Amino acid sequence: GESVGLHLPTLSVQEGDNSIINCAYSNSASDYFIWYKQESGKGPQFIIDIRSNMDKRQGQRVTVLLNKTVKHLSLQIAATQPGDSAVYFCAEIPPPAGGTSYGKLTFGQGTILTVHP
Amino acid sequence: DAGVIQSPRHEVTEMGQEVTLRCKPISGHNSLFWYRQTMMRGLELLIYFNNNVPIDDSGMPEDRFSAKMPNASFSTLKIQPSEPRDSAVYFCASSLVLGSEAFFGQGTRLTVV
Repeated sequence: GESVGLHLPTLSVQEGDNSIINCAYSNSASDYFIWYKQESGKGPQFIIDIRSNMDKRQGQRVTVLLNKTVKHLSLQIAATQPGDSAVYFCAEIPPPAGGTSYGKLTFGQGTILTVHP
Repeated sequence: DAGVIQSPRHEVTEMGQEVTLRCKPISGHNSLFWYRQTMMRGLELLIYFNNNVPIDDSGMPEDRFSAKMPNASFSTLKIQPSEPRDSAVYFCASSLVLGSEAFFGQGTRLTVV
């Protein structure tokens, strides 16, 4: 029968544009969030993280925004370059509340970013 | 630092055979994770360890899957017997402590025919 895969969101931008990638996380108790970048044939690579006591964190060309009210994360990439083309994942970790899920790094489905020169 | 090292990079095996995937975490890291990635299901956490002790194996799909961490520098994920639906890329990741960022290996692409 026909196989049905995940339909990943896609974002296509021109080189030099700013990109915004969104993510809805699942656990309202999660207190640590990470954005990963995965290039073809490679493992996910850390980009930037944010704790739940912050709503914004900036890195080099990247900014992560956290809205705990609606359980939403976004990753902003400034002046996007062809080398930024990859799949981007947000990941969440619940707090050390004594439950069995502490440290359980769980990934979202990912977004495909394509940068056109 | 060599990063997380996985072996083999590629494995092709026949249905019914035993498959063993290997992982060497980053030295000094206390937590280790095994993930499976497929087009159908994305990145799934199979099992994770802290200080060599399994913490949560609820993601292990069936009893055919087992994982061990005999010491701080080595872990294995075994599938016995393997089935075609086990075909996927298997990633190992390690983190300094539980709850901190995880660093991933290059993955093992498993094909069961």
